[in-house]
Amino acid sequence: QKEVEQNSGPLSVPEGAIASLNCTYSDRGSQSFFWYRQYSGKSPELIMFIYSNGDKEDGRFTAQLNKASQYVSLLIRDSQPSDSATYLCAVKPPTGGFKTIFGAGTRLFVKA
Amino acid sequence: DVKVTQSSRYLVKRTGEKVFLECVQDMDHENMFWYRQDPGLGLRLIYFSYDVKMKEKGDIPEGYSVSREKKERFSLILESASTNQTSMYLCASSPYSGYEQYFGPGTRLTVT
Repeated sequence: QKEVEQNSGPLSVPEGAIASLNCTYSDRGSQSFFWYRQYSGKSPELIMFIYSNGDKEDGRFTAQLNKASQYVSLLIRDSQPSDSATYLCAVKPPTGGFKTIFGAGTRLFVKA
Repeated sequence: DVKVTQSSRYLVKRTGEKVFLECVQDMDHENMFWYRQDPGLGLRLIYFSYDVKMKEKGDIPEGYSVSREKKERFSLILESASTNQTSMYLCASSPYSGYEQYFGPGTRLTVT
């Protein structure tokens, strides 16, 4: 089992819809969780981080963390074509020192 | 804003050459990382550094070395470039362990 798993997609949603991106992780003691957005040919940029169970909202983005079920999700409300990108989930496990484990990413396509 | 810069966006080298990739961050971050990103394989950690002159191997250190003589600068060295090192190389920095990472624009290296 991979340490951080994401559906590779592509996930296709119409403009204005809610896009839901999911990520599961294997290390139950993980404490820090991150979502990055990566446009084609560009480097990843941080969208959100979440440390506590529950929801964290920032504009059109909501991160949801459920430690008991070991998943973290990203909701994008009112999706725009400019949201089309690959979204990387990253998890800081309790062991492993300074390492952060990245998922392979989910490609999102928002249709105008 | 955090700024992470990399010495080249595109680089073409011949097999057997010694290659230097440089990364500079301007936010006084403690931690710096080198990743490579390949289609279908996601981000893979090569090396990271948590302090000047301190370094640790990541998941795929073979064929690479690093140098961190100053806090703001982290160099990746390919001792003898091979075609299987053709990839996108991404540098990142982070203020503390377990915190978010900020990525440079990446260097697309082609070894022929």
